[in-house]
Amino acid sequence: AQSVTQLGSHVSVSEGALVLLRCNYSSSVPPYLFWYVQYPNQGLQLLLKYTSAATLVKGINGFEAEFKKSETSFHLTKPSAHMSDAAEYFCAVSGSGNTPLVFGKGTRLSVIA
Amino acid sequence: DTGVSQDPRHKITKRGQNVTFRCDPISEHNRLYWYRQTLGQGPEFLTYFQNEAQLEKSRLLSDRFSAERPKGSFSTLEIQRTEQGDSAMYLCASSLSLKETQYFGPGTRLLVL
Repeated sequence: AQSVTQLGSHVSVSEGALVLLRCNYSSSVPPYLFWYVQYPNQGLQLLLKYTSAATLVKGINGFEAEFKKSETSFHLTKPSAHMSDAAEYFCAVSGSGNTPLVFGKGTRLSVIA
Repeated sequence: DTGVSQDPRHKITKRGQNVTFRCDPISEHNRLYWYRQTLGQGPEFLTYFQNEAQLEKSRLLSDRFSAERPKGSFSTLEIQRTEQGDSAMYLCASSLSLKETQYFGPGTRLLVL
């Protein structure tokens, strides 16, 4: 079975500051890990995914995430926040890509000018 | 590639009525997924299809819910005798095959009065 915990339901950063959104997972098999972003009244857009290749994954819009097996973590970072990054972010896990996605509860990112 | 589309985008209905939602996946994607997202939560898996075959159903999918994908292209999700607890965003996603990225549609927001 798989599960995801996102620490912090709401994160607020200043424009230009570092963005760090935390995700810890549990999986009984090697995980595939994903970060999706959701803007108001829209569906989910894939930011990046980890599928057992490089542990540092680069995604769209300057985001990246690092898979740390020892910490069962897959935190999302961006060096400099932009106003357009304000949205809801979801971490998700799939067991070796063979099982449906299991999502965390999401973290709402606010960017302050 | 026009993306995953869903219709309608919004639906308001009275308790006890039946509703049907449609999802058109990205062409040539043989996997189609349905998720439900309630306020403040991440999406939760409901069911998925490979071509026209429904391969897995979540325990969330009560007897009042039925999904079809008759020709392996579009899919419908029907909810019979709606209840207020059915109010949620219903998301559809598709992927080219197992282990490939799931692409999400904009969702159908259901409000049951």
